Amino acid sequence: EIVLTQSPGTLSLSPGERATLSCRASQSVSSSYFTWYQQKPGQAPGLLIYGASSRATGVPDRFSGSGSGTDFTLTISGLETEDAAVYYCQVYVTSALTFGQGTRLEIK
Amino acid sequence: QVQLKESGPGLVKPSGTLSLTCDVSGGSISSGAWWSWVRQPPGKGPEWIGEIYHGGDTNYNPSLKSRVSISVDKSKIQFSLNLSSVTAADTAVYYCARWRPREAAFDMWGQGTMVTVSS
Repeated sequence: EIVLTQSPGTLSLSPGERATLSCRASQSVSSSYFTWYQQKPGQAPGLLIYGASSRATGVPDRFSGSGSGTDFTLTISGLETEDAAVYYCQVYVTSALTFGQGTRLEIK
Repeated sequence: QVQLKESGPGLVKPSGTLSLTCDVSGGSISSGAWWSWVRQPPGKGPEWIGEIYHGGDTNYNPSLKSRVSISVDKSKIQFSLNLSSVTAADTAVYYCARWRPREAAFDMWGQGTMVTVSS
């Protein structure tokens, strides 16, 4: 079973700053099956990035994803107050899906 | 625009069976997507429960496989979850979601329904 570890647990930044969120897999995974979601309070998760680096429809270009193997990164440039949320990574391997425990992003 | 909506009891007794249904509207359940259940305990990350294809093929989370059954009713355009022998650890918000194989991602989610296991 693959384990995804996200860091940091909480990130507190100001508007306009850059956020860097990390997700590390316990074994190498295909970047084609690596995904990021954004979840705001009281809402279901929403698709942000798929295939490690492709933005979902309607996602602003200040969100970008990168990485391969075991290390993946979500970068949010020019933070806006609406970016406050919990961000989850997820991977698909052989008909099984795993989520990370999340990184909470706070906007000061 | 496809919409998903979960329904079912909000309270289930320990050792009982949790049963939920997801209604799919605005699109076809035979669209080539897989249809999943995902749960999220309060304050924790999501956990994938399992998925079903319109033809009836299923995949389950190995940690829940012995207690889970997912079925589809194409005539009613809905799919269902049964989770047996529940305990307090099964208390969570339960979501149904659409999995798109090409993107390998959930691109559509229901609003979620809170299920509490308690006597």
